[in-house]
Amino acid sequence: KAGVTQTPRYLIKTRGQQVTLSCSPISGHRSVSWYQQTPGQGLQFLFEYFSETQRNKGNFPGRFSGRQFSNSRSEMNVSTLELGDSALYLCASSAAPSDEQFFGPGTRLTVL
Amino acid sequence: LAKTTQPISMDSYEGQEVNITCSHNNIATNDYITWYQQFPSQGPRFIIQGYKTKVTNEVASLFIPADRKSSTLSLPRVSLSDTAVYYCLVGEASGTYKYIFGTGTRLKVLA
Repeated sequence: KAGVTQTPRYLIKTRGQQVTLSCSPISGHRSVSWYQQTPGQGLQFLFEYFSETQRNKGNFPGRFSGRQFSNSRSEMNVSTLELGDSALYLCASSAAPSDEQFFGPGTRLTVL
Repeated sequence: LAKTTQPISMDSYEGQEVNITCSHNNIATNDYITWYQQFPSQGPRFIIQGYKTKVTNEVASLFIPADRKSSTLSLPRVSLSDTAVYYCLVGEASGTYKYIFGTGTRLKVLA
């Protein structure tokens, strides 16, 4: 069974631009969570989707948004990029919100 | 969501048993304790989860005292490949625990 895949793996953007990251969960998994990881703040929860509905949201500004499609694939969007948005963005999937999470390899975003 | 406290870093030698303790004084009745492992440039990987007493799987053991205000992840006979960051999470079985990872414990295994 294929694992969680994230595209692209690396991305370089400039301040003010927007970016869309994609996550394909493990087949059959309906829950997808997104995290931001930086050296200073560690691993921080962004949002969680289950059956196309946002189940919970972390403490991030409205520039960070996400969505989930009927096939459980998920995207997150960051608008008006700031230098501080440079981070590793991780996606995790599980069969249900209470089940074990499986993480993808992440997308490393660099904002110049 | 219960807040957790872990040591920032630990060093050990190959072949030794490593115990990482996590403090969670405000753990609630319905909260579970979950540990993850993360290698550089990879996403975290689930290690073990428990509610009380002792849980053991093929890679680790989790010891939880009766008051559940702390827990200890035990890694038997560590190897260099166990060098990683270990996260302790505490929260409800509904999955809300995964919202707070914290900064984890950086374990370095020395030859």
